Amino acid sequence: GAVVSQHPSRVICKSGTSVKIECRSLDFQATTMFWYRQFPKKSLMLMATSNEGSKATYEQGVEKDKFLINHASLTLSTLTVTSAHPEDSSFYICSARPAGREENEQFFGPGTRLTVL
Amino acid sequence: GQNIDQPTEMTATEGAIVQINCTYQTSGFNGLFWYQQHAGEAPTFLSYNVLDGLEEKGRFSSFLSRSKGYSYLLLKELQMKDSASYLCAVLDSNYQLIWGAGTKLIIKP
Repeated sequence: GAVVSQHPSRVICKSGTSVKIECRSLDFQATTMFWYRQFPKKSLMLMATSNEGSKATYEQGVEKDKFLINHASLTLSTLTVTSAHPEDSSFYICSARPAGREENEQFFGPGTRLTVL
Repeated sequence: GQNIDQPTEMTATEGAIVQINCTYQTSGFNGLFWYQQHAGEAPTFLSYNVLDGLEEKGRFSSFLSRSKGYSYLLLKELQMKDSASYLCAVLDSNYQLIWGAGTKLIIKP
């Protein structure tokens, strides 16, 4: 089956620092990857859609200068939370859509729990 | 606007059957997904429906009626490990997932 990994799984950082989260599709190529954020007791919120080799498309209300997304290859996308603050503490989840698949399905990574002190 | 509704919380008994409903109003439709999410974990894919009807997969079944904008997830022979949140999501005309807020399912012995 299609596997998506995220690294790190947990990160604790000081306020003002930047944190990079990696999302990798391990056994398939993903032309499109998605980044979500989960708020407590709420559903996943789509932050941005990233297509390989082009700029990410951000959802309304998501600061693109704060949440930098790079999709440099068909198997890797990165999300960098710049100048993190305590309110950025959350569970960040990526998903990947396989290229050339008939079924429109996203495979989710295990998530990264970010805690900003 | 786009909207997906599902109950906030449901309680059921171990060994029983439970049906979790989902209604949607979206700009276009390219399929409906059900995901299971345990606390602190990423969602796990359960089912995908794009045509009307019932899809059965073991203890879980999913039903879709596109004309009614309605789906349900049916869980049979409930086990304690089925306690989780169940998320309904619709793929819209831009092939982006629109998520429901999830239904927290509590299983009692």
